[in-house]
Amino acid sequence: DIQMTQSPSSLSASVGDTVTITCRASQDIRESLAWYQHKPGVAPKLVVYAASRLESGVPSRFGGSGSGTHYTLTISSLQPGDLATYYCQQYYRTPLTFGGGTKVEI
Amino acid sequence: EVRLVQSGAEVKKPGESLKISCKASGYSFSSYWLGWVRQTPGKGLEWMALVYPGRSQTRYSPSFEGHVTISVDSSVWTAYLQWRSLAVSDTGTYYCARQGADLSDYMDVWGSGTTVIVSS
Repeated sequence: DIQMTQSPSSLSASVGDTVTITCRASQDIRESLAWYQHKPGVAPKLVVYAASRLESGVPSRFGGSGSGTHYTLTISSLQPGDLATYYCQQYYRTPLTFGGGTKVEI
Repeated sequence: EVRLVQSGAEVKKPGESLKISCKASGYSFSSYWLGWVRQTPGKGLEWMALVYPGRSQTRYSPSFEGHVTISVDSSVWTAYLQWRSLAVSDTGTYYCARQGADLSDYMDVWGSGTTVIVSS
């Protein structure tokens, strides 16, 4: 299985800050990487796919980058509504695997 | 609008059986993989299994294979996740999600989740 290591596990930031979350794969996943936002009590929401493509309707404050085994999600100008846990997921090969999650606190 | 509507919360005892459902609408049900993801407080999100309704193909995570069964009824656009014998460790929230036309694809639409509590 491909292991996904996500860091940090949690972070605290202020409104307007820029935050960066990192995800490292145990092997090259050829940019088959998605980021999901998960708020308590609601379904996870796709934010970024193919490492850097923004899902329709997601604010441009969100951005993804990376290749090979190293990927990042950046949230610029952090807003109160961004409070959530963010997960990376590789879909290069089954079993699909998630990172451990990053809880973003405002 | 693409929608996945899941069945309601369940409270069960260890050893009991359970089948939860996920009804799809708004897209070609037979043309996309549909998967199940578990969320537990201690382990975050875990990908469990996939089914391709058009060919009834399935894929399982090794962590769940043999313990759960994924199935579909294409006549009612519904996917199911089934346990023959629940364990306390099966407690969690289960999400269904549309995965895409390819086996290796991201999950773009999610259901609202089914909470399962297994307790004696």
